[in-house]
Amino acid sequence: DIQMTQSPSSLSASVGDRVTITCRASQSITNYLNWYQQKPGKAPNLLIYAISTLESGVPSRFSGSGSGTDFTLTITSLQPEDFATYYCQQGDITPRTFGPGTKVEVK
Amino acid sequence: EVQLVESGGGLVQPGQSLRLSCTSSGFNVGDYAMTWVRQAPGEGLEWLGLVRSKNYGGTTDYAASVRGRFTISRDDSKNIAYLQMNSLKTEDTALYYCTRGFERRLDYWGQGTLVTVSS
Repeated sequence: DIQMTQSPSSLSASVGDRVTITCRASQSITNYLNWYQQKPGKAPNLLIYAISTLESGVPSRFSGSGSGTDFTLTITSLQPEDFATYYCQQGDITPRTFGPGTKVEVK
Repeated sequence: EVQLVESGGGLVQPGQSLRLSCTSSGFNVGDYAMTWVRQAPGEGLEWLGLVRSKNYGGTTDYAASVRGRFTISRDDSKNIAYLQMNSLKTEDTALYYCTRGFERRLDYWGQGTLVTVSS
């Protein structure tokens, strides 16, 4: 199985900050790398797929990048609605594992 | 409008079985990889398994943690996906999400149904 790790596990930030979350796969994957946002008490929501493609309706302050085993989610100017937990997921091979999540909290 | 609604959760004792349903609308379940994901209380997301679309033979794959105990299926005529869970353990306690898989991503999620396994 491909193991996914994320760093940091949590971070504190302020509105307007630039936030970067890293996701690492235990082996090289193709472009099937997805990011999800989950707010408390809600189902996760697809943000980015295929490493860098924004899902419809997702603000352009979100972006994704990377290749091989190392991937990044960046929020260029954090907004109040962005405080949430973010998960990466590889869609390359089954089981299509998730990372453990990164919680973005208010500083 | 695409919607997925899970049902069938509840409280069961260890060793018992439960079947979850995912009633879908706005799309045909047979055309997508219907995928189940769970989230234990206070924990992260765990991919459980999927049933592939008709175009991909409708085959299934599972995470090691549930393989042999859980079975995913679908009824195209009713537009419902199922998660049959047998030999439940206390560690299966979680919120279970039904999701629609499209091109290796999970683009729509239900709101989840809670399964509690406890004696």
